[in-house]
Amino acid sequence: DAKTTQPTSMDCAEGRAANLPCNHSTISGNEYVYWYRQIHSQGPQYIIHGLKNNETNEMASLIITEDRKSSTLILPHATLRDTAVYYCIVRLYSGGGADGLTFGKGTHLIIQP
Amino acid sequence: GAGVSQSPRYKVAKRGQDVALRCDPISGHVSLFWYQQALGQGPEFLTYFQNEAQLDKSGLPSDRFFAERPEGSVSTLKIQRTQQEDSAVYLCASSPVQGAAYGYTFGSGTRLTVV
Repeated sequence: DAKTTQPTSMDCAEGRAANLPCNHSTISGNEYVYWYRQIHSQGPQYIIHGLKNNETNEMASLIITEDRKSSTLILPHATLRDTAVYYCIVRLYSGGGADGLTFGKGTHLIIQP
Repeated sequence: GAGVSQSPRYKVAKRGQDVALRCDPISGHVSLFWYQQALGQGPEFLTYFQNEAQLDKSGLPSDRFFAERPEGSVSTLKIQRTQQEDSAVYLCASSPVQGAAYGYTFGSGTRLTVV
C-alpha cells in the first residue's frame, strides 16, 4: 500500500469548512483513497473513498488532484461533533480478501466553538 | 444487533494472566478483522477472518495471541501470559464485502490494561 502523509493536527472554527489534506505521491493507478475518522473512545468510522473523480456523500466531499498525488477531505460545515482523528488510507479496492487497513497516525481535527 | 459489539469494554489483567476478548459482528457480515491500538497511535492490523477461515494472521505480535471464529460469526481474541506491552485498545471490525476497504463497521473496542 502507498504511504500517506497528513498534518498532525488542525483547528477549524465551528460552522466553517474543514479542509484536511493528504499526500500520497507514490499512489499506483489502481489504488483508491479512503478516509476514516475516529472520535474519542470510539472505533474508526468510514467516511468516503474515491479513485480519481471527486466524490461527495452526506458526510463529506473528497477532492483528488488530477495527478492523484494528493487529496483533500472537506467537511462543509464543521460542528463540534466532528472533532476526531481523521485517517487517509491508500489501498487497492479489494486486497484479495485478506488485507487489512494501514491507518497511520492521522490528523487530529479540533473544531473550536 | 445494529452494530459491532465488543466485550468487555474494559479489562484489567495482572501480568501473566490469560484474557479473552469477544467480538459480535453485524449479522451476516462475512469479513471480520481485529486491530490493536496503542495510546496515541492509529489502529494496527492483527488478523482477518472470512467466515470461519482465518486468512491472515500476519499482524499477531507473538504466539501468545490467538484468534478464532469457529462458526463464522462471534470471534474471540485470546492473549496468553499477558505482558505490559499488551496494554492497548483492541478493536474488532466487520464488513459485508470480502476484501474491500470501505464499509467497515468498527466496535468501540476493549481497553486492556496489564498491571
